[in-house]
Amino acid sequence: TQLLEQSPQFLSIQEGENLTVYCNSSSVFSSLQWYRQEPGEGPVLLVTVVTGGEVKKLKRLTFQFGDARKDSSLHITAAQTGDTGLYLCAGLNYGGSQGNLIFGKGTKLSVKP
Amino acid sequence: GAVVSQHPSRVICKSGTSVKIECRSLDFQATTMFWYRQFPKKSLMLMATSNEGSKATYEQGVEKDKFLINHASLTLSTLTVTSAHPEDSSFYICSARAGWGLGEQYFGPGTRLTVT
Repeated sequence: TQLLEQSPQFLSIQEGENLTVYCNSSSVFSSLQWYRQEPGEGPVLLVTVVTGGEVKKLKRLTFQFGDARKDSSLHITAAQTGDTGLYLCAGLNYGGSQGNLIFGKGTKLSVKP
Repeated sequence: GAVVSQHPSRVICKSGTSVKIECRSLDFQATTMFWYRQFPKKSLMLMATSNEGSKATYEQGVEKDKFLINHASLTLSTLTVTSAHPEDSSFYICSARAGWGLGEQYFGPGTRLTVT
């Protein structure tokens, strides 16, 4: 069974601080996706990383895929209150017939003014 | 693009009744749709994978006779919770897989089901 360990589970910081969320697995994934979810809503796709070592930037968010495609990180620079939400990483493996996403448990981020 | 809708957004039903939730891909065709369940402050739990024109594939521990899935067209999948019980109360989310790019999944806004 493939597992994605996501850490930290909870993170409460002040506006302006930096933070990093980690997603680790012993399995190799074809790609890895990061989502952000707000209460009472569905997850919204932020980015997909595919190539080992790949780095993608989305404004103040930097996503990195590990060289071995087993881990990923999300770094937020100068966090804002609008960044508050649940961040989910999800690995995709086409090895199975369905190509399902394997979700981490999520990181609940709270950015205080 | 890649918008997925769900209806209803909230539903309250009595124990023993059935509830149908619709998931639609509004601007793309999705041969595969997924149904998830999410408990408070928890991550998403995959319930089943729905392929257009064929039977759904259920994850281990999910009762297929209780959670009926129909994927009648490339833009619509339905989940029917039959004989609902209070423990079925949850947040149900569907997603649709795009046929382009890396096959990312796009999620609906979710349906909050409360069984009284």
